[in-house]
Amino acid sequence: QKEVEQNSGPLSVPEGAIASLNCTYSDRVSQSFFWYRQYSGKSPELIMSIYSNGDKEDGRFTAQLNKASQYVSLLIRDSQPSDSATYLCAVNMIRGSTLGRLYFGRGTQLTVWP
Amino acid sequence: IAGITQAPTSQILAAGRRMTLRCTQDMRHNAMYWYRQDLGLGLRLIHYSNTAGTTGKGEVPDGYSVSRANTDDFPLTLASAVPSQTSVYFCASSDTAGGKNEQFFGPGTRLTVL
Repeated sequence: QKEVEQNSGPLSVPEGAIASLNCTYSDRVSQSFFWYRQYSGKSPELIMSIYSNGDKEDGRFTAQLNKASQYVSLLIRDSQPSDSATYLCAVNMIRGSTLGRLYFGRGTQLTVWP
Repeated sequence: IAGITQAPTSQILAAGRRMTLRCTQDMRHNAMYWYRQDLGLGLRLIHYSNTAGTTGKGEVPDGYSVSRANTDDFPLTLASAVPSQTSVYFCASSDTAGGKNEQFFGPGTRLTVL
């Protein structure tokens, strides 16, 4: 099992719809979870961080975390064509004596069509 | 400047040549990272540094070396480039205090080895 797995997509939704992106992770003791957005030809941009169970809302974005199920999701409400990008899930896993390392999923490509 | 800068933006390199990719951050983050991103393989960690003067190996370190002489700079060197090192390289940094490890990425270097 990979450390971080995302629904592979691609995902296509109409403008104004809710886009739902999902991610599961393998390390039960992980404490920090992140969503990055990456436009084609650009670098990953951090858009959401979540550290405790439940929902965290920021504008049109809501991150949801369920540590018991080892599941984290990102909802994008009122999707816009400008949201079209690849979304990367990342989980901070502390193993051995390191301070932690981010493990990334392979990303879900989202297209929002007008 | 604010954030992370990388140089060069892109480079075409003959196999066997030596190349250093530069990365500078001005956020006073203690940790820095080098990733490569290849289609279908996602982001893979090459090397990291938790603090100035220390470095560690990531998932794909072979053929690469790094140094961390100060807080701001984290160069990545390819001693003798090979075509399989053709990739997009991203530098990132984070403040690992508190264990959150939010990583911020530079704009990337697109490297082609012929």
